[in-house]
Amino acid sequence: DGGITQSPKYLFRKEGQNVTLSCEQNLNHDAMYWYRQDPGQGLRLIYYSQIVNDFQKGDIAEGYSVSREKKESFPLTVTSAQKNPTAFYLCASSIAGTSGETQYFGPGTRLLVL
Amino acid sequence: GDSVTQMEGPVTLSEEAFLTINCTYTATGYPSLFWYVQYPGEGLQLLLKATKADDKGSNKGFEATYRKETTSFHLEKGSVQVSDSAVYFCALSDLKSSASKIIFGSGTRLSIRP
Repeated sequence: DGGITQSPKYLFRKEGQNVTLSCEQNLNHDAMYWYRQDPGQGLRLIYYSQIVNDFQKGDIAEGYSVSREKKESFPLTVTSAQKNPTAFYLCASSIAGTSGETQYFGPGTRLLVL
Repeated sequence: GDSVTQMEGPVTLSEEAFLTINCTYTATGYPSLFWYVQYPGEGLQLLLKATKADDKGSNKGFEATYRKETTSFHLEKGSVQVSDSAVYFCALSDLKSSASKIIFGSGTRLSIRP
């Protein structure tokens, strides 16, 4: 079955530590996205990529970094510069990354700070 | 800038009741409009979509009509079930972006009593 997988389901971060969240898709989609969801709030865009080896900052990119070396993969690193990283992180993809497209979401990773 | 406003929750209904979740938007041009649903601990799933004025999106008994004159996209269902308990997000495509960026509302939590 085609879809988006995210791992791990839960992730714990210690102070000053960088952690990386995995996102893989086998939908053959060109575009991928990372969102942050805080309790009782909507989704906020962190980074997005419309093509391999290219990505753009979203609304809240500070303290995060991404790479897009393969079409299928779009890992997100939460750096020590992100002072409030506790949240639910959602990865999504869309066919071509053009305006108006539907985005398809993975199951999410919950990040907690120890 | 573009934005989405949806009714605050939580909304609690009895099984078989009629459901309306209000959603209004602010945007220039004619964005695509979406309703996504999030079940507990999961990612978002597309529920329905409309791409132009007067279009009606429908799925699983849910409906929403794209009303340009009132800038609204209210979600309705004639008879809700316990399995409909989830958080519902109204969203629009960001036409100012060349990419498939989506702007989400803050979500409405729906609980259905047996």
